[in-house]
Amino acid sequence: SAVISQKPSRDICQRGTSLTIQCQVDSQVTMMFWYRQQPGQSLTLIATANQGSEATYESGFVIDKFPISRPNLTFSTLTVSNMSPEDSSIYLCSVKDSANIQYFGAGTRLSVL
Amino acid sequence: AQSVTQLDSQVPVFEEAPVELRCNYSSSVSVYLFWYVQYPNQGLQLLLKYLSGSTLVKGINGFEAEFNKSQTSFHLRKPSVHISDTAEYFCAVSDPVRGGYQKVTFGTGTKLQVIP
Repeated sequence: SAVISQKPSRDICQRGTSLTIQCQVDSQVTMMFWYRQQPGQSLTLIATANQGSEATYESGFVIDKFPISRPNLTFSTLTVSNMSPEDSSIYLCSVKDSANIQYFGAGTRLSVL
Repeated sequence: AQSVTQLDSQVPVFEEAPVELRCNYSSSVSVYLFWYVQYPNQGLQLLLKYLSGSTLVKGINGFEAEFNKSQTSFHLRKPSVHISDTAEYFCAVSDPVRGGYQKVTFGTGTKLQVIP
C-alpha cells in the first residue's frame, strides 16, 4: 500500500482567494486522483493526473477552476481558484495499485467564508 | 457506468451487537467491489475487497462482506461492534481492470454510530 501525505490538513479561506493543496506519495505512481467530498455526500472524482500530461477532468469540473500540476511521479497539487462558500469540502488525493484498489490521503478540509 | 446504492445513511447500534451495512450495485457481468472506512478527520481506508473467488470476503477489524451476484449486493457485517467502529463506511464498485484503469464509483456512505 502507498502512504500519502496531504498539506494543508485544513484551512479557512476568504471568498475570491485561491488555495493550493499538495499531495506527496512515498512511491512512484503513474496515476493520481483528486476527489471532492462535500458535506454529507460521497466522493466525486475531480480529475485524474498523469505525470507529463494534462490532467483529465470529469464532467462538471474545469481546469480554470481546479488547475492541477503533476511535475513528477510522486507529487501533485490541486488549486481551488476564486473560491466561494460552495467550494467548502474535503479534498482528497488518491493513488491506485494494479488491482484498482485506491489509497487515500487524510484529506484537506476547506472552509470558505 | 456502474452505480452504488447505500440505502442507510445512518445506522445506530449498541456496543457488542451485530451490524449489517447494506450495499447494492448496478448489474454487470463482473465487478470489483470494495468497502472503505473513514474515521473522523481522516481519509478513507480500505476495509476489504472482492475481486474474484470466494464470495465471502474477510477484512480488517473483524469485518466481512458477502458478494451476492443474483441480488447484486455486497453487504458488510460484523458480529460484535466496538465503540472504535464508529465511522462512516463507503461501498465502492468498478469494472474489472483489463490493461487499464477503471473508474471507481463510491456510494453515499453509511454512518455507523456505536452506542455504549
